[in-house]
Formats: sequence, structure tokens, C-alpha cells
Amino acid sequence: AQRVTQPEKLLSVFKGAPVELKCNYSYSGSPELFWYVQYSRQRLQLLLRHISRESIKGFTADLNKGETSFHLKKPFAQEEDSAMYYCALRRDSGYALNFGKGTSLLVTP
Amino acid sequence: ETGVTQSPTHLIKTRGQQVTLRCSSQSGHNTVSWYQQALGQGPQFIFQYYREEENGRGNFPPRFSGLQFPNYSSELNVNALELDDSALYLCASSSTGASGANVLTFGAGSRLTVL
Repeated sequence: AQRVTQPEKLLSVFKGAPVELKCNYSYSGSPELFWYVQYSRQRLQLLLRHISRESIKGFTADLNKGETSFHLKKPFAQEEDSAMYYCALRRDSGYALNFGKGTSLLVTP
Repeated sequence: ETGVTQSPTHLIKTRGQQVTLRCSSQSGHNTVSWYQQALGQGPQFIFQYYREEENGRGNFPPRFSGLQFPNYSSELNVNALELDDSALYLCASSSTGASGANVLTFGAGSRLTVL
């Protein structure tokens, strides 16, 4: 069965510091990976997906099939990045998303 | 264009009761999926509906059932409620085409408390 692991429950960084939210997955096929974000009092929304290979709000994530990872990175964190971040996997033949437990990012001034 | 709307936003039930949660999908979306998010956990897939039929199900018992209507709106029904059913229930819609399901758009959720 596929599994998504986000090892950090809480990550606290200073404004302007680099940030990396870790995501590892276990799945032998060709998964589609996503990062979803939930800002305070807002609904869960897509941040980025690996097939788009784009940068959103300064965040990037590269799928590393050798390490089965999809870490989310941003070179300079901003206070407005404080939110709950969820990594999710979709199997190559299915539609359901498998979510990790989430990482709460806190960016302090 | 409207987003995904869910009702009710909050409700309290007692063990053994039944509950129905409702979801209106985003305009242009033909697929609805439901997720359960317990406190401190990520969302867990319950099931998905496409063309009014269930076309995928997670590891949830049969007392979790659903419907999709011709206008693509959906209901989630839970019978014989248990304390562990207390959670935020998220509805997500998407458009499904030849290449499979596209990106999910989530509603704000219905928070169910079972006493």
C-alpha cells in the first residue's frame, strides 16, 4: 500500500531563512505528488504538483524517485507562509489522494 | 464561478444516530470525493463519485455511504455513528476526463461531533 510520511509535525523558522518541508513516500509505481496548504481559517488548497514543475509563491518541489521524496523548499521564508502543509500522493491508476499527517510551518519575524 | 460548498458547517450527534452531509461541487466539475480528517491527521479518502456511481473507496465500513445527483452535488451518509466518527468531513470536486482526475478543489468541511 502507498504511504506518505511527513516527519516533522512542526517546523519553526525565522523570516528570511530557507525552509524545507520533508515528504517521503512509499509506492512502487509512478505516483503523482502534490503539496496542499491550509492557511489559518481557510480551506485546503493546492500549492503545487510535481508534473507542473512550476514555482508557486516562491515554493518549489522536485520529485526524487531514487529517494522517494518530494520535499518542499523556499529560499527565503515569509511570515505569510505560516500554515499547515500536506504532502499527498495519487497512484498512477487511481484517483484518490493519500495525504501525510501534515507539517505546521511557523515563520517568526 | 462558485467553489465547493458544504452543509452543515457544524453538527453534534449521539452514538447510534445517523447523519447526512451535503456538498455542491464547483461549477464545471463532474467528480466528487469525500475525505475524513480526524484531529491532528491528514485527510483520509472515503470514496469518490463520478457519473452518479461510486468509482473508488477507501478503507471505510459500509455504514459510510454516499450519493451523487445529476447536478453533480453529493451526499455523505453515516449510519450507526461511533465516537471515532468525530472529525472534519471534507468534500472535494474535480473534473475527470480521458487522462483521469484533475486537481481537487476542497470545501470548507463539515465538523461532526459524536457524543
